[in-house]
Amino acid sequence: DAGVIQSPRHEVTEMGQEVTLRCKPISGHNSLFWYRQTMMRGLELLIYFNNNVPIDDSGMPEDRFSAKMPNASFSTLKIQPSEPRDSAVYFCASSQKQATNEKLFFGSGTQLSVL
Amino acid sequence: GDSVTQMEGPVTLSEEAFLTINCTYTATGYPSLFWYVQYPGEGLQLLLKATKADDKGSNKGFEATYRKETTSFHLEKGSVQVSDSAVYFCALSASGGSYIPTFGRGTSLIVHP
Repeated sequence: DAGVIQSPRHEVTEMGQEVTLRCKPISGHNSLFWYRQTMMRGLELLIYFNNNVPIDDSGMPEDRFSAKMPNASFSTLKIQPSEPRDSAVYFCASSQKQATNEKLFFGSGTQLSVL
Repeated sequence: GDSVTQMEGPVTLSEEAFLTINCTYTATGYPSLFWYVQYPGEGLQLLLKATKADDKGSNKGFEATYRKETTSFHLEKGSVQVSDSAVYFCALSASGGSYIPTFGRGTSLIVHP
């Protein structure tokens, strides 16, 4: 089991540029989550997919953020245009099914720095 | 709505000291409760969980008991090691909703030799 795979591990970009973060969930997992972690705000849920369908995107900060899950093995989080306040660690997580006792498996995260 | 409140850190201890990290929650229905740990430079990973009242979750010497009467799920370890230095997150997942876990802010633990 390779775990949840995120890429890139680190991304440095300039304000105004487009940023795309990628995630490969664990095979067979039906739920996928994107989180953002900062010192100020802690761990924030951005969007949640179940069976490739977005279920809750109320945490997406604004229209600059978009997420897709074209199939069960791949998801992207895009920021266009990026701003310095988007600097954070972005985590992808997956779980096997929708259930209250299901644990999440997290990737190692993408450290994003927007200059 | 659902919420999780953890004690603020950092918690700084000497090796072999006793650890308690407090966690209380507010939820509708009957939530499952979790502790996750995040080591430096890594993602969160499950440490332990409990799914019903009076259940005790345990792993790697850590324990937490689901207390419905006090809506708490405090994390304890009898003797911490330097390698336990990490950030600990309390979380819940409540039934009757969207199954989206709710996380606390995290508590940083620093253990000195």
